[in-house]
Amino acid sequence: GAVVSQHPSRVICKSGTSVKIECRSLDFQATTMFWYRQFPKQSLMLMATSNEGSKATYEQGVEKDKFLINHASLTLSTLTVTSAHPEDSSFYICSARDIRSYEQYFGPGTRLTVT
Amino acid sequence: DAKTTQPTSMDCAEGRAANLPCNHSTISGNEYVYWYRQIHSQGPQYIIHGLKNNETNEMASLIITEDRKSSTLILPHATLRDTAVYYCIVRVPNNDMRFGAGTRLTVKP
Repeated sequence: GAVVSQHPSRVICKSGTSVKIECRSLDFQATTMFWYRQFPKQSLMLMATSNEGSKATYEQGVEKDKFLINHASLTLSTLTVTSAHPEDSSFYICSARDIRSYEQYFGPGTRLTVT
Repeated sequence: DAKTTQPTSMDCAEGRAANLPCNHSTISGNEYVYWYRQIHSQGPQYIIHGLKNNETNEMASLIITEDRKSSTLILPHATLRDTAVYYCIVRVPNNDMRFGAGTRLTVKP
């Protein structure tokens, strides 16, 4: 089946610093990728949708200047959490939509802890 | 996409079938029923999907009622490793995937 990877799987950073998370589709191309956030004991919440070569679309309540998304190629999207604060600590999951089948595949997630 | 309703939690004995229900009474004709599960601290894992016919794969079976207003995911012989949160999602394939609260299935020895 289609594989989506995320890097890093875990990251700890200090408050005020920025952290970049990579999402790659390994064996398929994706014009559209999605970023989700999941707090403990809660469901996944869609943060933003990124389209290759264009600006991301953010869900209501998600600060686009804080969560920078770049989707520079058909296999890579990055999420940068800028000026991270402890309340940004969460499980971030990306997903990629196969350009041919439209099926959506999920990465393993990145656990961000801001101290 | 149509809204879904699932029980908050369910228990199942190891080795028995786990039957997870999902109501989607407002489903429209071009919307599929998808099932994913999430094991603790992992990304969602695809299980199965269908439009109107029942579907079976190596993981599970999906039974969709004739009126398509509800469905049941069946794990035929649940194991401890099937303990997870199971999400039923109704969507048109090229729409984004949005998650409800899901059902927390606990398989007990």
